[in-house]
Amino acid sequence: DQQVKQNSPSLSVQEGRISILNCDYTNSMFDYFLWYKKYPAEGPTFLISISSIKDKNEDGRFTVFLNKSAKHLSLHIVPSQPGDSAVYFCAASRGSQGNLIFGKGTKLSVKP
Amino acid sequence: NAGVMQNPRHLVRRRGQEARLRCSPMKGHSHVYWYRQLPEEGLKFMVYLQKENIIDESGMPKERFSAEFPKEGPSILRIQQVVRGDSAAYFCASSPGPGIYNYGYTFGSGTRLTVV
Repeated sequence: DQQVKQNSPSLSVQEGRISILNCDYTNSMFDYFLWYKKYPAEGPTFLISISSIKDKNEDGRFTVFLNKSAKHLSLHIVPSQPGDSAVYFCAASRGSQGNLIFGKGTKLSVKP
Repeated sequence: NAGVMQNPRHLVRRRGQEARLRCSPMKGHSHVYWYRQLPEEGLKFMVYLQKENIIDESGMPKERFSAEFPKEGPSILRIQQVVRGDSAAYFCASSPGPGIYNYGYTFGSGTRLTVV
């Protein structure tokens, strides 16, 4: 039973446009959410996070939105750049636990 | 400041052999997490260790898998009698303290295990 779902395996976007990656979760006890970016043959790299007490967090070109009632979060990248092409993982955690629950990832391709 | 170091990067084992994966955390980090990524899947938590202690092994398969983080040296993930289904990328992460919210953690580049 997947607690964190990324329903789009892939997304293709034109350079300069907005990329929107979506993530749904089922466990209402999750209170901290993260996005990781992963290139082939490398480990995941932390991108941005959001606590459940917020509904938006912004860091440069990256913004994460959290809709607790819908159990949904999204990552917006604007403007998208070819270097953003990677697999993006949504992850969630509960309380003070250290382990993360990951989605299956969305492969983003940004075309020049 | 070196990042999380995992070795080997690639490991090929025949069915029935043992695989040992090593993880050296970042300097000053005493908390280590192991994750496994099967093909076309997300990362799945396996085990959380502090120095000389296993804190949470709820994601570890009940048989053949073990992990340790000794007082000195790297953390070791050991898989005995490997089977083809063990083929995956194994990632280690480290943090300076407990809880992803307060401390965050950093992943290594992973060990890709292939069982032939």
